[in-house]
Amino acid sequence: EAEVAQSPRYKITEKSQAVAFWCDPISGHATLYWYRQILGQGPELLVQFQDESVVDDSQLPKDRFSAERLKGVDSTLKIQPAELGDSAMYLCASRDRGLAGTGELFFGEGSRLTVL
Amino acid sequence: QKEVEQNSGPLSVPEGAIASLNCTYSDRVSQSFFWYRQYSGKSPELIMSIYSNGDKEDGRFTAQLNKASQYVSLLIRDSQPSDSATYLCAVNPPGAAGNKLTFGGGTRVLVKP
Repeated sequence: EAEVAQSPRYKITEKSQAVAFWCDPISGHATLYWYRQILGQGPELLVQFQDESVVDDSQLPKDRFSAERLKGVDSTLKIQPAELGDSAMYLCASRDRGLAGTGELFFGEGSRLTVL
Repeated sequence: QKEVEQNSGPLSVPEGAIASLNCTYSDRVSQSFFWYRQYSGKSPELIMSIYSNGDKEDGRFTAQLNKASQYVSLLIRDSQPSDSATYLCAVNPPGAAGNKLTFGGGTRVLVKP
């Protein structure tokens, strides 16, 4: 069964360091999302791509976060510098172009970040 | 006011009972509503979607939507210990480019044997 791949699964870093997360969506899925989920809260959308274009990054803290999907396939989310408040699960999800509106987002296992 | 609100719980129900979860949303013109289940340490998975007023049943799950009251609920019948998880309500805001989802904070459900 096709899956959304994410790495690393776990990352521990010190504040002010740089961190990067990688996501490979299900093959052929045009839409890719990065969500952040703080423990005990619901996922919050950081950025949404349609193919290689950013559709929505209104909630992305652009002073320290960046995201790219250069070839419209896999994506990288970077944090530089990391802050204590960035400790969270970073979830990548993808959606098939044909499923727009159904809400069927397929999530990866997530990357759990701990900032010390 | 948050866009999507849920009671955080935990909602404790005995095995075999009905678990009732509620969700309210702020934007009256929202059209698409979803329930995701998230086990501890795992990623969310879609269990129900509903688009029209009324009830929608799928196995032991029933979603209920009342757009006039801006309210969506999820019923879990014959609750099993394996239903213990956090249930996330998600809404597709109107005009959202590419169908992004806005999630509530989730309701934690504990089913006790």
